[in-house]
Amino acid sequence: DAGVTQSPTHLIKTRGQQVTLRCSPKSGHDTVSWYQQALGQGPQFIFQYYEEEERQRGNFPDRFSGHQFPNYSSELNVNALLLGDSALYLCASSLAFREETQYFGPGTRLLVL
Amino acid sequence: GESVGLHLPTLSVQEGDNSIINCAYSNSASDYFIWYKQESGKGPQFIIDIRSNMDKRQGQRVTVLLNKTVKHLSLQIAATQPGDSAVYFCAEILPNSGGGADGLTFGKGTHLIIQP
Repeated sequence: DAGVTQSPTHLIKTRGQQVTLRCSPKSGHDTVSWYQQALGQGPQFIFQYYEEEERQRGNFPDRFSGHQFPNYSSELNVNALLLGDSALYLCASSLAFREETQYFGPGTRLLVL
Repeated sequence: GESVGLHLPTLSVQEGDNSIINCAYSNSASDYFIWYKQESGKGPQFIIDIRSNMDKRQGQRVTVLLNKTVKHLSLQIAATQPGDSAVYFCAEILPNSGGGADGLTFGKGTHLIIQP
């Protein structure tokens, strides 16, 4: 039973560039949430996708956008990268829109120079 | 502001002793709480959860206690082992007015250090 997978594991970008991160949910899960974790901090909720639509959003600017595909996998896109976007980006999956237990992937470490 | 917080950023315990990690939350409407363990370079790993209609839940070597009167949550780890070294986060979910689940709100975490 495959858990949550994310790609790539590490990424280096420069300011102003755009980045796309990918996530495949745990088998049987249909809801994907994205989080940003700065060094030494707890994860912060970016947004959540269910049925290919953004259902909930945290306090993040429009530079952060996402997509969910029919197979439930998801992408996180960040435009016009800032130095402050350097963080670990975590994907979590869960079952059904109201299922609270979320299982996390290993994350993508993004460094913006 | 941050709804979930932790009392201590670092906790050092002797191997074999019991560990207690504390968490305070500010929103009395929170109805679901989860403890996660995060090892260096990895994503958070689910440990145990508890709903607001319960005050105690036990797992394997772990117990979560919820005190709604003082809005306090704790994670007890019995017979702490070297593999328990990690950062522990509590997280909460607030009921969503639209009937769905919000994202998790995390605290900053407690770093548990196991002394040999």
